[in-house]
Amino acid sequence: DTAVSQTPKYLVTQMGNDKSIKCEQNLGHDTMYWYKQDSKKFLKIMFSYNNKELIINETVPNRFSPKSPDKAHLNLHINSLELGDSAVYFCASSQGPVTGELFFGEGSRLTVL
Amino acid sequence: GQQLNQSPQSMFIQEGEDVSMNCTSSSIFNTWLWYKQDPGEGPVLLIALYKAGELTSNGRLTAQFGITRKDSFLNISASIPSDVGIYFCAGLSFTSGTYKYIFGTGTRLKVLA
Repeated sequence: DTAVSQTPKYLVTQMGNDKSIKCEQNLGHDTMYWYKQDSKKFLKIMFSYNNKELIINETVPNRFSPKSPDKAHLNLHINSLELGDSAVYFCASSQGPVTGELFFGEGSRLTVL
Repeated sequence: GQQLNQSPQSMFIQEGEDVSMNCTSSSIFNTWLWYKQDPGEGPVLLIALYKAGELTSNGRLTAQFGITRKDSFLNISASIPSDVGIYFCAGLSFTSGTYKYIFGTGTRLKVLA
């Protein structure tokens, strides 16, 4: 039973399209995150939600819109995709925003053509 | 922004050798985490450190939280081929009223059988 699961694992799309990535965690954690990993493998935080409330919003274009319908789910919607959005997007969760280790999903590789 | 410098950036070692890598920062961190990422997978937590000076082991892995709280190191003893991967450190920082994990630049480990 996967602790943090995200879908789809692979996504290939054209520039200008809109796409979504979904994430679910069954760990009972309160806090969820989206991280972006670029081609050099740098992991950078994008957003964090605690109990459905946005608590971290890094300098991310507003084409990216996270949504948390409940504390077990955090989705990421991207509008008007650009070539530079190609990356692996990781969902993660932790017990809380202050304490607890991060547990990652398997990643969603987005390729924009 | 805050950065975590990891070294070495990459290393080739012979099977059976011990490996050392470290993570340094100009900022103080409250928690250090060490992760391993295999190709096509998400980062998997190896060791978590919560107190300055703490030394923690997990099988062949040993990690330490630096006394100054600005660094951490990870040792792998008697390396085996499956130790291949990218190792990341992550530090929990408090910035602009928010806690968040900052990731290091990664150490790419290759083990020669």
